[in-house]
This record gives sequence, C-alpha cells and structure tokens, in this order.
Amino acid sequence: AQTVTQSQPEMSVQEAETVTLSCTYDTSESDYYLFWYKQPPSRQMILVIRQEAYKQQNATENRFSVNFQKAAKSFSLKISDSQLGDAAMYFCAYRSSNSGGSNYKLTFGKGTLLTVNP
Amino acid sequence: GAGVSQSPSNKVTEKGKDVELRCDPISGHTALYWYRQSLGQGLEFLIYFQGNSAPDKSGLPSDRFSAERTGGSVSTLTIQRTQQEDSAVYLCASSLAVVPRNSPLHFGNGTRLTVT
Repeated sequence: AQTVTQSQPEMSVQEAETVTLSCTYDTSESDYYLFWYKQPPSRQMILVIRQEAYKQQNATENRFSVNFQKAAKSFSLKISDSQLGDAAMYFCAYRSSNSGGSNYKLTFGKGTLLTVNP
Repeated sequence: GAGVSQSPSNKVTEKGKDVELRCDPISGHTALYWYRQSLGQGLEFLIYFQGNSAPDKSGLPSDRFSAERTGGSVSTLTIQRTQQEDSAVYLCASSLAVVPRNSPLHFGNGTRLTVT
C-alpha cells in the first residue's frame, strides 16, 4: 500500500518570503500522480498543483512550484512571495495510475499547517 | 451548482443517534467520493461511487456506516448509532470521471460532525 509522509506538522514564513513544504511517499509503482491540496479554514480542499510521475519537468503554477525527485520519492512544494492568503493546511496526495486496483483513491499525508506572518 | 455542496455544515448529535450527511456534486460529475478527516489526521478514504454504484466500500469503518447515491447525483452518508469516535469532518468530492487519473477532485466544504 502507498503511504504519504509530511514530516513538518507546522511551518511559518514571513510575508513575501519563500517557504518549502516537504512530502515523501512510498510506492512500488512506476507511474502515478502527485498532488498538493490547500485547505483554508473554510475546510474546502483546493487543488494547488499536480505532477505526473512520467514527466521529468517540475510542475509550476504561478507562485507555486514543486521539486519532484522520483528516485528519492520526494515531492516538495515551494511557495514564492508568500501572501497572507496562503495561510492554510497543505496536504500532499498520491494517486495510482494503474488501470486495475484502487486508482480512484487519493492517499493523503497528515498535512502541514502553514502560517504567514505579516 | 457551481461547486460541490454539502449539508449540514455542522451537526451535533447525541451518542447513539443516527445522522445523515448529504452531498450534491457538480452537475455532470460521474465519480463521487467520501473522505473522513479526523483531528490531526489526513483524509481517510471511505467510499467511492461511479454513477450510482459503489465499487469500493472498503473504507467504511464499520457496518454502522452506509452510503447511497441516487440518479447519479446526490449522495447520502448515513451513520447509525453514532459513537464519539465518529466525530470528524466528512468531506465529499466529485470528479468528471475516474479517467484521466490526474483529473482533479473538487471538494465540498465538509460536514463537521460532533458526537456528544
């Protein structure tokens, strides 16, 4: 079974600075998808960024980028020019791409609570 | 609707009572998922619907939990004889389809269940 580990329960960053959230995962599969979701106090999970494992290029969405290290099974999220609205819980998630098995499930880490200080 | 809608937003119930949680997915989304988020934990998969059928119910914690989906749309998660350990946020998500597998899940705001 796949597992996702977020080793930082809490992180803080100054407004306009850069912060990196860590995520590692364990899988025996070669093809899969990785996601970062943001959960503000409203509780709604919002997709921040996604990465296909077969792509070597790191995904980027505006101020958000990932450092995907497939061999190390690492998928960190970098937030540049942090804004107050970035404060939230961030979850890393894994999804298998196999046509059989439970490829519809997202396996989540336990989350990292990000605080942005003005 | 514009997004996934869940009701109620908050529910407080006494131990032993039954509760029903409702999820209204985005129109046209065939896949629907229920997850549970307990305090300090990540999201735990409960059940998945493709249309009205649930190919995988393995995440349901006990036989007190059941879910159904009708008309390929609204889903109801029912918890019978609630226990204090059932207290959590119950999140519903929908997606256009299971394939492509990188398609994003769209989540609702969840129902916070408190069992006293």
